[in-house]
Amino acid sequence: GQQLNQSPQSMFIQEGEDVSMNCTSSSIFNTWLWYKQDPGEGPVLLIALYKAGELTSNGRLTAQFGITRKDSFLNISASIPSDVGIYFCAGQPNFGNEKLTFGTGTRLTIIP
Amino acid sequence: EPEVTQTPSHQVTQMGQEVILRCVPISNHLYFYWYRQILGQKVEFLVSFYNNEISEKSEIFDDQFSVERPDGSNFTLKIRSTKLEDSAMYFCASSELEKIQETQYFGPGTRLLVL
Repeated sequence: GQQLNQSPQSMFIQEGEDVSMNCTSSSIFNTWLWYKQDPGEGPVLLIALYKAGELTSNGRLTAQFGITRKDSFLNISASIPSDVGIYFCAGQPNFGNEKLTFGTGTRLTIIP
Repeated sequence: EPEVTQTPSHQVTQMGQEVILRCVPISNHLYFYWYRQILGQKVEFLVSFYNNEISEKSEIFDDQFSVERPDGSNFTLKIRSTKLEDSAMYFCASSELEKIQETQYFGPGTRLLVL
């Protein structure tokens, strides 16, 4: 089946630092999404990307849909304590009502 | 803001028992999903449901699983005879219409522990 690999698996950063993580796929997706999951809760959508090459921002978050349609990255600028959590990329073959294939996750920890 | 709700938040059951996990999707949504997440792993798709029938299901969704929309508001996942490996967090999600840019909204999950 389709695989989405995220890197890094985990990150330990200090508050205020910028964060960058990426997601690569073995096959093409035409929609890429980034979700954040807090402990014991469901994934919450951060950013959705619908066009190859698209760069989209949501506050301190910026994500890009790779030109090859097989990758995406997420940047977080000036990290704050509430950014702690697990970040998942997810892909859909085409559009919003198809199943989501989730990545392996990047766990972000902020060192005080 | 409307949200997906799930009950119970936690369920402990004995192997071989039947469990029913309940979800109330967002009221005007028409597409419903179940996903699961084994502890420490990624979220995996189980099944999608539209117009009172299954749209798509994964290899995980075998004959032990079933879904139902018993009334106008609830969406349920039944596991007929639970196995140890069914222990996981189960998430319900819903989305509105068949649009290009439609988002799936997730509930808080039910943590199922099979002993």
